[in-house]
Amino acid sequence: EIQMTQSPSSLSASIGDRVTITCQASQDISEYLNWYQQRPGKAPKLLINDASTLETGVPSRFSGSGSGTDFTFTISSLQPEDIATYYCQQYDNLPLTFGGGTKVEIK
Amino acid sequence: QIQLVQSGVEVKKPGASVKVSCKASGYIFTNYTINWLRQAPGQGLEWMGWISAHSGNTNYAQKFQGRVTMTTDTSTNTAYVELRSLKSVDTAVYYCARGSYGDYPYWFDPWGQGTLVTVSS
Repeated sequence: EIQMTQSPSSLSASIGDRVTITCQASQDISEYLNWYQQRPGKAPKLLINDASTLETGVPSRFSGSGSGTDFTFTISSLQPEDIATYYCQQYDNLPLTFGGGTKVEIK
Repeated sequence: QIQLVQSGVEVKKPGASVKVSCKASGYIFTNYTINWLRQAPGQGLEWMGWISAHSGNTNYAQKFQGRVTMTTDTSTNTAYVELRSLKSVDTAVYYCARGSYGDYPYWFDPWGQGTLVTVSS
């Protein structure tokens, strides 16, 4: 089973700040990585697939990069509606696995 | 619009079974997999497995093999997951999610609204 390690587990930032989350895979997963946003009390929403492809309708302040074992998710300018927990997910191998999540709060 | 609507809250006793439904609309049901995932209170996301709505083939995470059954009804575009021999650690919100196009779910989009299953004596 591929382990996905996200850091930090939580962060607090100000509106307009640049926010960066990292996700590390326990083995090479090429670019087979997705990012999800889960707002409080809601179901997760797919934001980015294939490490860097933004889903239709997702604001351009969100971006993803990386390959192999190390990946980065960035919010270029934090907005109030971005308060959520963010998860990475790999699909290189079964079982499909998620990182532990990063909770983003407003300072 | 593409939508997955799940059945309501369930409360079960240890040892019982639960069956959750997920009705799909807005797309060709048989072109995708339906995946089931769960999230324990305050915890992260756990993938349980998928079912191909086209063939009925399933792929279960090893953790759940022998205890879970996923089925579909193509006449009503509805997927089901049944989990047996429930334990308190199975208390969670259960989600269905459509896989990416085809028979292997690279990603999950969209998701159902979730069904809370509480296991308590």
